[in-house]
Amino acid sequence: AQSVAQPEDQVNVAEGNPLTVKCTYSVSGNPYLFWYVQYPNRGLQFLLKYITGDNLVKGSYGFEAEFNKSQTSFHLKKPSALVSDSALYFCAVSPGTYKYIFGTGTRLKVLA
Amino acid sequence: DAGVIQSPRHEVTEMGQEVTLRCKPISGHDYLFWYRQTMMRGLELLIYFNNNVPIDDSGMPEDRFSAKMPNASFSTLKIQPSEPRDSAVYFCASSPIRDRAAGELFFGEGSRLTVL
Repeated sequence: AQSVAQPEDQVNVAEGNPLTVKCTYSVSGNPYLFWYVQYPNRGLQFLLKYITGDNLVKGSYGFEAEFNKSQTSFHLKKPSALVSDSALYFCAVSPGTYKYIFGTGTRLKVLA
Repeated sequence: DAGVIQSPRHEVTEMGQEVTLRCKPISGHDYLFWYRQTMMRGLELLIYFNNNVPIDDSGMPEDRFSAKMPNASFSTLKIQPSEPRDSAVYFCASSPIRDRAAGELFFGEGSRLTVL
C-alpha cells in the first residue's frame, strides 16, 4: 500500500538552531513530493515541492527540503529556526494522480 | 485573489440534522477537493472534482455524505443525517491543472463541524 510516514509526532528545537522534520514515503514510480504547514485554526499552506531535478528544493519562509531517492525520504529543513515557525507540518506525496497522500503531521515547537 | 472561501467556519448541530458545507474555489482552478481532518485519522480525502465532474468519491465514508459542484465557482458537501462521529474540520482545496498532478493544493480555512 502507498503511504507517507512522519515518524515524529513532535519536534522541539531552540530558536536559532537548525531544524529537521522527517518524511519517508512508500510509493511506486516517481512521485511528486510536497510540504505544507498548518497554523492553528487555519488551512494548510504550501511550502515547497519536488518534481524533478536538484535534490535540494528551496521554498517559502527559508525552508528547504532534501530529496533522497535511495532512502525514499524528503526531509524538511531550515538553517535557523524562528519561534514563528512553530506549527504543524505535513508531508504529502502525489503518485501521479490527484489522490495526494498526506502524512500524519509533525508538530514543530521552537523554543525562545 | 481571495483564496478558497469556505462557509460556515463553525457549525454546531444536533445528531440527525442536515449539514451543508460550502466552498468557493480559486477562479481558474480546475480541480476541487474535499478533505476531512480529525485527530484520530489525520487528513482524509473524501472526494475530488475535475471541471465540475466528480472523479473519485471512494473516500466518502457513507451514503449520508454527498457532494456536488454545480458550476466552476461553487461546491457543497452535505451530511444527512449527521452523527457525532462526523465531528471534524472539513477542508476544501483547489488546484490548477498541472501535468501529472504536480500542482500544489490551495486550502480554505476549513469548516469546524460539531455534532452533538
